[in-house]
Amino acid sequence: AQSVAQPEDQVNVAEGNPLTVKCTYSVSGNPYLFWYVQYPNRGLQFLLKYITGDNLVKGSYGFEAEFNKSQTSFHLKKPSALVSDSALYFCAVRASSSYKLIFGSGTRLLVRP
Amino acid sequence: EAGVTQFPSHSVIEKGQTVTLRCDPISGHDNLYWYRRVMGKEIKFLLHFVKESKQDESGMPNNRFLAERTGGTYSTLKVQPAELEDSGVYFCASSRSEGVSTEAFFGQGTRLTVV
Repeated sequence: AQSVAQPEDQVNVAEGNPLTVKCTYSVSGNPYLFWYVQYPNRGLQFLLKYITGDNLVKGSYGFEAEFNKSQTSFHLKKPSALVSDSALYFCAVRASSSYKLIFGSGTRLLVRP
Repeated sequence: EAGVTQFPSHSVIEKGQTVTLRCDPISGHDNLYWYRRVMGKEIKFLLHFVKESKQDESGMPNNRFLAERTGGTYSTLKVQPAELEDSGVYFCASSRSEGVSTEAFFGQGTRLTVV
C-alpha cells in the first residue's frame, strides 16, 4: 500500500538558519513526489516535484528537495529560513500508474525572528 | 489565469441536512479531483474526474456522497444527509492532461462543519 510519513508535527527554526522538513514514502514502482504548502486561510500551493533525473530539485520561494531512492525519502530544504516561510507543509506521492495523490499528515513550520 | 475556485468557503449545517460544495477548475484542465482533510489529519483522496467521467471514486466514504461534473466543467460534491464525522476541509484540485507527472493545483478549500 502507498503511504507517506512526515515524522515531525512541527519544526521550529530561527530566521536565517537552514531548515529541513522530513518526508519518507512507500509506493510500488517509480514514485512521483510533490511538496505543497498551505499558508493560513489559503489553499494548497504547489512548491516542487520530483519525476526523474537529478535527485535535487528546486522549486518556488528558494525551496529545494532531495530525492533519495535507497532511503525512500524526499526531504524539503531551504538554506536560509524566512519568517514568511511559516506555514503547513505537505509531502505527497503518486504512483506511476495512478493520478491519486497520497499525502502525509503535514508538518507545521515555525520560523522565529 | 484564474486558479481553482471553491464555493462556499465555509458552511455550517445541522446533522441530517444536505450541503452542496462547488468547484470551478482552471480552464482547460480535464482532470478534476476532490480531497478532504478531517480533524487535522492527512489529506485524503475522494475521487477523480476526467472531463465528465468518474475515473476513480475509490476514496468516496459512502453513498451519502455524490459528485458530479456536468459537461466536464465545474463539479459539485453533495453530502446527503450530513453526519458529524463529515466535518472537515474539502479541497478541489485540477490538472492538465499530461500524465501522472503533472502537478495538481488546489483551491482554497471549503470548511464544512456539521453540528
